[in-house]
Amino acid sequence: NAGVTQTPKFQVLKTGQSMTLQCAQDMNHEYMSWYRQDPGMGLRLIHYSVGAGITDQGEVPNGYNVSRSTTEDFPLRLLSAAPSQTSVYFCASSYSGQGSDEQYFGPGTRLTVT
Amino acid sequence: AQKVTQAQTEISVVEKEDVTLDCVYETRDTTYYLFWYKQPPSGELVFLIRRNSFDEQNEISGRYSWNFQKSTSSFNFTITASQVVDSAVYFCALSERRYSTLTFGKGTMLLVSP
Repeated sequence: NAGVTQTPKFQVLKTGQSMTLQCAQDMNHEYMSWYRQDPGMGLRLIHYSVGAGITDQGEVPNGYNVSRSTTEDFPLRLLSAAPSQTSVYFCASSYSGQGSDEQYFGPGTRLTVT
Repeated sequence: AQKVTQAQTEISVVEKEDVTLDCVYETRDTTYYLFWYKQPPSGELVFLIRRNSFDEQNEISGRYSWNFQKSTSSFNFTITASQVVDSAVYFCALSERRYSTLTFGKGTMLLVSP
């Protein structure tokens, strides 16, 4: 199993550009989520999904869109990038989405918006 | 709302010293789960331990040990005889019963020097 994969590893965008961060898992996990990590802030939840076709907002959803058309994929879209979105983005998945589940994290995408 | 506080932003020790990383949490749920993750300089998140709210037994794994005290809402992590390879950022996190959404503390950077 590849686990949780994220592409790209690094990305530089100009303000106003759009892009999609890809996340895929091959463990048949129902629950997937996106976090962003900023210096001194820990990781904060952006969006999450409890299954295909179901998504919800986390703590910091503004400026990001998600959809979940398959169990395996959970892309994160930035429609109009802003410097405040410079961050490291982590995708995670867990088996059923219960609080007791261990979450499996991807390697992260480092995004810089200039 | 749930909250995790890691009051120690940065800790520096010399190899072979013992070090304790503090974690204090807040939640209204009676069933919840506490986690510790390690983030080495390479950037990935490494799962260390999960503890549920009904199990206050301390745990030891090699040089690592965890002290869970519900009375003080704390879940502290001790590294015995620290090594340079322990240098990393350590995150404490909390999830509640229903969803595996994690609330992270801001992290403690541990620097172990030779």
